[in-house]
Amino acid sequence: LAKTTQPISMDSYEGQEVNITCSHNNIATNDYITWYQQFPSQGPRFIIQGYKTKVTNEVASLFIPADRKSSTLSLPRVSLSDTAVYYCLVGGTGTASKLTFGTGTRLQVTL
Amino acid sequence: DSGVTQTPKHLITATGQRVTLRCSPRSGDLSVYWYQQSLDQGLQFLIQYYNGEERAKGNILERFSAQQFPDLHSELNLSSLELGDSALYFCASSISGGTFQETQYFGPGTRLLVL
Repeated sequence: LAKTTQPISMDSYEGQEVNITCSHNNIATNDYITWYQQFPSQGPRFIIQGYKTKVTNEVASLFIPADRKSSTLSLPRVSLSDTAVYYCLVGGTGTASKLTFGTGTRLQVTL
Repeated sequence: DSGVTQTPKHLITATGQRVTLRCSPRSGDLSVYWYQQSLDQGLQFLIQYYNGEERAKGNILERFSAQQFPDLHSELNLSSLELGDSALYFCASSISGGTFQETQYFGPGTRLLVL
């Protein structure tokens, strides 16, 4: 499983766009990039997944450059309820994958 | 609501004891994953089962074991408990578990406190 590096924490004001970048220099050809959100004392929740270029859904966008060595989760106009920990995972096919979420990025949104 | 259920919600026990955590996956999901999350730690993958068979193993201690039953529910057994085993234990499920990029749906977790 590719090692990922994310900022430990970020602060934002409500209504701003937040971009969280994840570095994954040793990403493999078959690897996908997945982001999860976790609120305190709750299980993580899937946000978005991509392989290359840009993916957008109703809650976020995921930008992946051509070399795929990094990715950026973009949250448009965050609200207080977006305060959570965000995890970036990189992995592909294979039954022996070790699924490690790491420590994630703690996003704090304030008024 | 993810559709994954876990029982019990909270569990308090003493060192040296044995406990069993239970997980029921989403309807139709064949894979179950177990994770441990200690205070200020990320989620550590413990083990995955697919349709009753062990599929992948992570950082699971020898004192811990799991199984998946024919009805696809899973149990995580923790024995000879130590103070350091106090944590949130999450179960997740996915459709098949054959590929990493499958979305995992997480349950609400079981909070274990070992005194």
